[in-house]
Amino acid sequence: DGGITQSPKYLFRKEGQNVTLSCEQNLNHDAMYWYRQDPGQGLRLIYYSQIVNDFQKGDIAEGYSVSREKKESFPLTVTSAQKNPTAFYLCASSIYRDGETQYFGPGTRLLVL
Amino acid sequence: GQSLEQPSEVTAVEGAIVQINCTYQTSGFYGLSWYQQHDGGAPTFLSYNALDGLEETGRFSSFLSRSDSYGYLLLQELQMKDSASYFCAVNGGATNKLIFGTGTLLAVQP
Repeated sequence: DGGITQSPKYLFRKEGQNVTLSCEQNLNHDAMYWYRQDPGQGLRLIYYSQIVNDFQKGDIAEGYSVSREKKESFPLTVTSAQKNPTAFYLCASSIYRDGETQYFGPGTRLLVL
Repeated sequence: GQSLEQPSEVTAVEGAIVQINCTYQTSGFYGLSWYQQHDGGAPTFLSYNALDGLEETGRFSSFLSRSDSYGYLLLQELQMKDSASYFCAVNGGATNKLIFGTGTLLAVQP
């Protein structure tokens, strides 16, 4: 079955710690995205990548970093510089130049200890 | 700035019809998408309008008026499983980024 997987489902971060959220897709999609969702809010774009080895900042990139070394993988690192990381993180992918139709993973809920 | 406005909550009864409106102000516009998200789940794509008019997909229809910067999602024959949040999103340009609204929480009552 084709789809997007995210792991872990829940992640706990200690103060000053970097954590990495995994996102893998086997849809052969070129573009991948990371969003942050806070309770009762919409989705805000953190980073996106349209092709391998290239990515751009979204609206709230500060305190986050990404890499796109393989087409199917787009991990997100939440660094210690992100002072309010508690949120629901969603990864998505789309066919290149069809960003209107994005397919989402099940999400990772990040909590701060 | 860029913004999308939707009602925060809508309540309707089973079997009824409900319309969720979305107005947008963006620097560019390629099209308007709609996504459904059940509580705690992932958003799923519902529909996309690039041109003016109505697009129908089963019980769901979506409408766009580019001149009015306005669209809506119409849900017919409401079912309890339609209780969810609905987001409109605009593709504002060649980068294929989506700008999402804050979502409308639809509660379907028996």
